[in-house]
Amino acid sequence: DAGVTQSPTHLIKTRGQQVTLRCSPKSGHDTVSWYQQALGQGPQFIFQYYEEEERQRGNFPDRFSGHQFPNYSSELNVNALLLGDSALYLCASSLVGGLYNSPLHFGNGTRLTVT
Amino acid sequence: SQQGEEDPQALSIQEGENATMNCSYKTSINNLQWYRQNSGRGLVHLILIRSNEREKHSGRLRVTLDTSKKSSSLLITASRAADTASYFCATVGQGGTYKYIFGTGTRLKVLA
Repeated sequence: DAGVTQSPTHLIKTRGQQVTLRCSPKSGHDTVSWYQQALGQGPQFIFQYYEEEERQRGNFPDRFSGHQFPNYSSELNVNALLLGDSALYLCASSLVGGLYNSPLHFGNGTRLTVT
Repeated sequence: SQQGEEDPQALSIQEGENATMNCSYKTSINNLQWYRQNSGRGLVHLILIRSNEREKHSGRLRVTLDTSKKSSSLLITASRAADTASYFCATVGQGGTYKYIFGTGTRLKVLA
């Protein structure tokens, strides 16, 4: 039973560029959330996708956008990269709704470095 | 910041000792969860406690919740070197939110 998989594992980009990160949820899960984790900090919620729509968004600018596909996989896109976007980007999947009592299952993340 | 606070920020103990870490949060919650993160990897769910529960056990883990003080504690008994990791609490608010708010984490080091 495959867990959450993310690609790529590491990425180096230059300021102003655009990046796309990918996530496949755990088998049987239909909800995908994205989190940003700066060094030494806890994860911060970017947004959640369910039924191919963004259901809730955290305090992140419009440069951060996403997509969910019919097979429940998801992408996170970041435009006009800033140095401050350097972080570990974590994808988490959960069961129907992802509401209330659904534990999150995390991938190992994509380490993004912006130079 | 919306993040919860955890203390201590770092904890170093000998193998076999107990480790206690605390979490404080800011808003009314539906439930509180604890996660473990090994260096540079994803988080792993450990235990969930609902807002109407006061204590919960799972193996060597014991979690307490005090909603009047907006705080929780995680106790790991008889710690092992393999418990070395960062531990985060995460709260799910009331009112139909899907957002998990994570604390700042406690870095636990268990010395063999």
